[in-house]
Amino acid sequence: DAGITQSPRHKVTETGTPVTLRCHQTENHRYMYWYRQDPGHGLRLIHYSYGVKDTDKGEVSDGYSVSRSKTEDFLLTLESATSSQTSVYFCAISEDRDPTEAFFGQGTRLTVV
Amino acid sequence: AQTVTQSQPEMSVQEAETVTLSCTYDTSENNYYLFWYKQPPSRQMILVIRQEAYKQQNATENRFSVNFQKAAKSFSLKISDSQLGDTAMYFCAFMNPSYIYTGTASKLTFGTGTRLQVTL
Repeated sequence: DAGITQSPRHKVTETGTPVTLRCHQTENHRYMYWYRQDPGHGLRLIHYSYGVKDTDKGEVSDGYSVSRSKTEDFLLTLESATSSQTSVYFCAISEDRDPTEAFFGQGTRLTVV
Repeated sequence: AQTVTQSQPEMSVQEAETVTLSCTYDTSENNYYLFWYKQPPSRQMILVIRQEAYKQQNATENRFSVNFQKAAKSFSLKISDSQLGDTAMYFCAFMNPSYIYTGTASKLTFGTGTRLQVTL
């Protein structure tokens, strides 16, 4: 299994509070992604990174920011959580040698109350 | 923008039988990749099979095979000799490889999923 760790695995937070989810990889892969999974929508891309300090928006980036200061860590921040951001969040990684194969973390279930 | 459609929200199959999950997609690209991912109750996303659009031969991985119809933009997954462990959500996904050549990562577009239940 690819070495991807998401933390926390579960979190409940209140509306309006900031939240940061962490994705840590031990594979030294170049590309990292954050997706969210919601019923009726499948997985949708929030943000992605193609190198340290190189990030870009996905299709559902509003309300989210990311940072990648080291190859191994990709942080997803909800500046002010809303109930619509209640979801399961997945981190994924892929490498230069075969960027078509993505490896996923175990997911983080976030509930905003 | 690409879209991926899975029109079967839920399916059921008996153990040892064969089941086919449907997926259609829309793109103006000529070359791309298509995937089937499995998500069991553990929530882990597992790559089942991958197809490159310029390869005419349908991909196969053990009991899993695809029927890729490029002109019809159809990409169905056939599971033979179904097992209880195949019970999962299955997602069809599309990737535009042009992202690879620009060095801006390989982004996936997913369908909404088909929940497959394998019964005794």
